[in-house]
Amino acid sequence: EPEVTQTPSHQVTQMGQEVILRCVPISNHLYFYWYRQILGQKVEFLVSFYNNEISEKSEIFDDQFSVERPDGSNFTLKIRSTKLEDSAMYFCASKGQGLVEKLFFGSGTQLSVL
Amino acid sequence: SQQGEEDPQALSIQEGENATMNCSYKTSINNLQWYRQNSGRGLVHLILIRSNEREKHSGRLRVTLDTSKKSSSLLITASRAADTASYFCATDAVSGNTPLVFGKGTRLSVIA
Repeated sequence: EPEVTQTPSHQVTQMGQEVILRCVPISNHLYFYWYRQILGQKVEFLVSFYNNEISEKSEIFDDQFSVERPDGSNFTLKIRSTKLEDSAMYFCASKGQGLVEKLFFGSGTQLSVL
Repeated sequence: SQQGEEDPQALSIQEGENATMNCSYKTSINNLQWYRQNSGRGLVHLILIRSNEREKHSGRLRVTLDTSKKSSSLLITASRAADTASYFCATDAVSGNTPLVFGKGTRLSVIA
């Protein structure tokens, strides 16, 4: 079965540093998402991306965050200057065409900001 | 907020018993979905029920939806130790291509 892959699985960084989290969505999918989950808490929506632009973003997704689909296969989340509170598991997800379809999630990147 | 809220937060049962988890939400929806998350892993889609459906089955899973009460339940019958995971409901709002909004989840432990 096709799957969403995320790299790296773990990322440790110093506060103030930039990080890039990478995702390869399922190849024929058109909608892409980033979610995050702080340990033991709910899964929070960050941003959705369609047709090479952001379609929706949450309050969490401030100016420190950006997304890009640089080459038609990768989908990246960049955090420009990390804060301690950015420590979380970050999940990439994708879905195919049509509005009523399930999301396919990657296994996540555990980001630890020290 | 349309956020789903699951209850209970945690549930511990013996293998072979049934597990019931509930979800409540606040706004009108297109559909409601249930996902499963093994510890430290991504979410896996289990089942989707549309707003015009009242009940749906998939293997040992049974989902109900009551739009008048804005609530849903997920029943896992004849539970197995491998069902141990967190279960989340997610709602897909009526308006536009809004993202799925997840609740806090129910942590299910099935004891062998």
